[in-house]
Amino acid sequence: DQQVKQNSPSLSVQEGRISILNCDYTNSMFDYFLWYKKYPAEGPTFLISISSIKDKNEDGRFTVFLNKSAKHLSLHIVPSQPGDSAVYFCAASNYGGATNKLIFGTGTLLAVQP
Amino acid sequence: DTAVSQTPKYLVTQMGNDKSIKCEQNLGHDTMYWYKQDSKKFLKIMFSYNNKELIINETVPNRFSPKSPDKAHLNLHINSLELGDSAVYFCASSQGGGVYGYTFGSGTRLTVV
Repeated sequence: DQQVKQNSPSLSVQEGRISILNCDYTNSMFDYFLWYKKYPAEGPTFLISISSIKDKNEDGRFTVFLNKSAKHLSLHIVPSQPGDSAVYFCAASNYGGATNKLIFGTGTLLAVQP
Repeated sequence: DTAVSQTPKYLVTQMGNDKSIKCEQNLGHDTMYWYKQDSKKFLKIMFSYNNKELIINETVPNRFSPKSPDKAHLNLHINSLELGDSAVYFCASSQGGGVYGYTFGSGTRLTVV
């Protein structure tokens, strides 16, 4: 029962171009969404988040878009840099629920080519 | 100074052994978690403690026993290790429900042979 799905296991883009990472979810009770970035042999690090009351949140080169009707969110990185090469995890939570826990997708490996 | 530290980083052990993984956070957070990342790269929650109280206990074999002596520490003890327990285990912490995200440790790679 995979409630958060990242259907692209990998993505390769050229330096300076836009990277778009996608995530779909099935649980309509989710009200908070986060993106994490993970380098090899390190733990995931928080990147950006969005509440279900918004459809866009921007932080520097990173923008997250939320389409609640489609149960879809995406992370845009513009411009992409070689240092952005990492695994990106989408995560979702129901903060209004009895217990808060993050449900993660399986990740997308982003490779930014110089 | 590491915010969430786990020890050991690597653990290789034989089937049937008992082992522990330790986790400490110095962020003053009140909630700590254990996540497991299996060979298919799923990051799945196992346990969560809030102020030393167990609040999340997913469907995990009872060979896994978390212990939180205080809100800065959450250890994971595993009895009678099996091959399928091989995975990377991540500890994490947050303040409250983690609206600003969780802070993860760097993981413990457990290999059962």
